[in-house]
Amino acid sequence: DVKVTQSSRYLVKRTGEKVFLECVQDMDHENMFWYRQDPGLGLRLIYFSYDVKMKEKGDIPEGYSVSREKKERFSLILESASTNQTSMYLCASSPPLYPYTDTQYFGPGTRLTVL
Amino acid sequence: AQTVTQSQPEMSVQEAETVTLSCTYDTSESDYYLFWYKQPPSRQMILVIRQEAYKQQNATENRFSVNFQKAAKSFSLKISDSQLGDAAMYFCAYSLPNTGNQFYFGTGTSLTVIP
Repeated sequence: DVKVTQSSRYLVKRTGEKVFLECVQDMDHENMFWYRQDPGLGLRLIYFSYDVKMKEKGDIPEGYSVSREKKERFSLILESASTNQTSMYLCASSPPLYPYTDTQYFGPGTRLTVL
Repeated sequence: AQTVTQSQPEMSVQEAETVTLSCTYDTSESDYYLFWYKQPPSRQMILVIRQEAYKQQNATENRFSVNFQKAAKSFSLKISDSQLGDAAMYFCAYSLPNTGNQFYFGTGTSLTVIP
């Protein structure tokens, strides 16, 4: 089974802190994604990566950055956390696009609270 | 813009009964994939069912089936013989072949199963 793990289930940070959210997958997937999930808004894509050291902006990249130094690990960075970044953050991974479009496999999520 | 609409924020169903969750999407592409994901309370998001747009036959997975109407851009999920374990948030999503496996999610439907 595919396993996607996230470094923390719950995290509390202060405004202005630099925050790192880590995601690791064990299936050698090329593609990795970061979403934030808010009630009534569903999942919104922050960033994704289709290869090591590659990254693409999603729909809401402002205030976030990412790092992918190794294939299995995709980090989301909040350079200076703000209260409006309080949310559930979900990481996902998937195999390469071709020869088929497979599903995305999700981690358990990190609930981040910024005070 | 790629959009997915789930018009029912909340639904409820009596145990052992059947419920249908609705989903419409908007894309000008002819080739895409559709998904229903389930997110139980405080648990990981998992794939329920998927459908390739080029297939006319509706996908089925045990008690879960879809009604895919391509012309109407509709993709509803039917859950038969509902069980208490079906209580969850359900998300509809689709992906396009040439977008690096980027997914577009709806806002979700919260399903309550009444014993």
